[in-house]
Amino acid sequence: KAGVTQTPRYLIKTRGQQVTLSCSPISGHRSVSWYQQTPGQGLQFLFEYFSETQRNKGNFPGRFSGRQFSNSRSEMNVSTLELGDSALYLCASSLSGQKSSPLHFGNGTRLTVT
Amino acid sequence: DQQVKQNSPSLSVQEGRISILNCDYTNSMFDYFLWYKKYPAEGPTFLISISSIKDKNEDGRFTVFLNKSAKHLSLHIVPSQPGDSAVYFCAASAGTSGSRLTFGEGTQLTVNP
Repeated sequence: KAGVTQTPRYLIKTRGQQVTLSCSPISGHRSVSWYQQTPGQGLQFLFEYFSETQRNKGNFPGRFSGRQFSNSRSEMNVSTLELGDSALYLCASSLSGQKSSPLHFGNGTRLTVT
Repeated sequence: DQQVKQNSPSLSVQEGRISILNCDYTNSMFDYFLWYKKYPAEGPTFLISISSIKDKNEDGRFTVFLNKSAKHLSLHIVPSQPGDSAVYFCAASAGTSGSRLTFGEGTQLTVNP
């Protein structure tokens, strides 16, 4: 079974621009979550989507948004990029998003904002 | 406010010996704990989990111990192998969500042959 696929692997953007990251979950997984990893803050939860609805949201500004499609694929968007948005963005999928089904992470998208 | 802390940034052990990775938490609402392993250029991989109703869970060479009164958990790897060299993250969740995890900063484990 294919794992979680994130595209692109690397991205360089300029301050003020916007960016869209893509995530394809493991087949059959209906929950998709996004995390940001930075050296200073570690891994931080952004949001979770289940059946095309945002089910949980972390403490990030409204510039960070996401969506999920009917095939469970998900995208996250960051608008008006800031230098501090430079990070590794990890997508994770699980069967249900409940505690009995652990998260399976993709290899991430490395975003650099200059 | 770091609710999950891994106080040791790194740990080095000899192959065949026991590796003990520690994690402390402050939020009393956490009721489910997990360990993830991360190799460079890869996403974290789930290792083992434990519910707050238990104090120990084993899976092969990996055992997680939970001490609720001390708000402390540990991961034991016996015997340690060079392939275990990776960054280990402790994570915790509260309520019904298994997706909203609070992670520690990670501990780099190096197992020397």
